[in-house]
Amino acid sequence: ETGVTQTPRHLVMGMTNKKSLKCEQHLGHNAMYWYKQSAKKPLELMFVYNFKEQTENNSVPSRFSPECPNSSHLFLHLHTLQPEDSALYLCASSQDRSPDTQYFGPGTRLTVL
Amino acid sequence: QKEVEQNSGPLSVPEGAIASLNCTYSDRGSQSFFWYRQYSGKSPELIMFIYSNGDKEDGRFTAQLNKASQYVSLLIRDSQPSDSATYLCAVNNPGNTPLVFGKGTRLSVIA
Repeated sequence: ETGVTQTPRHLVMGMTNKKSLKCEQHLGHNAMYWYKQSAKKPLELMFVYNFKEQTENNSVPSRFSPECPNSSHLFLHLHTLQPEDSALYLCASSQDRSPDTQYFGPGTRLTVL
Repeated sequence: QKEVEQNSGPLSVPEGAIASLNCTYSDRGSQSFFWYRQYSGKSPELIMFIYSNGDKEDGRFTAQLNKASQYVSLLIRDSQPSDSATYLCAVNNPGNTPLVFGKGTRLSVIA
């Protein structure tokens, strides 16, 4: 479908669980992003990595922990989430941080019970 | 605060008509402008980008940019029911910052 893949596509977790979201891009890009998309809200940028270095953290709660081991892989580690964290989590990549088009993965639909 | 504004809609147009989607932005120094289409339950898909004032055409889609008015629009000619989706406007601001997205406009093309 696209050069950016995400797993799992759907995730249901309890508030005490620990889970991880995975993103992989096959486009040779240098920058990767995590977004949160809730109903009736604009895309919220969470984290940006450029050449494996975190360059943006938009005041995201510490229960979300990103990890970027290399330019092709990006993880979002989740622990003690709240029901209001239920949303579509989108990964994106671009050749460089700015300016450039971003390509999105299919997203992970997260439900926190 | 840098903002991108879009009418949330829904914008309803009959099949075959021209759909006009509008976006305004607050940062006069913005340089690049993008339109994404997002079907319900799916991720955003890039449709077009525009950097210079004027029109840019790609098939049935035309992006229009007016930097003086801080306004970018997307026209969809011969609208089809398959064009029904939410259209996101995104703006790149100077200073090596990530894209800023609008809330999106939901388009409904009625057969």
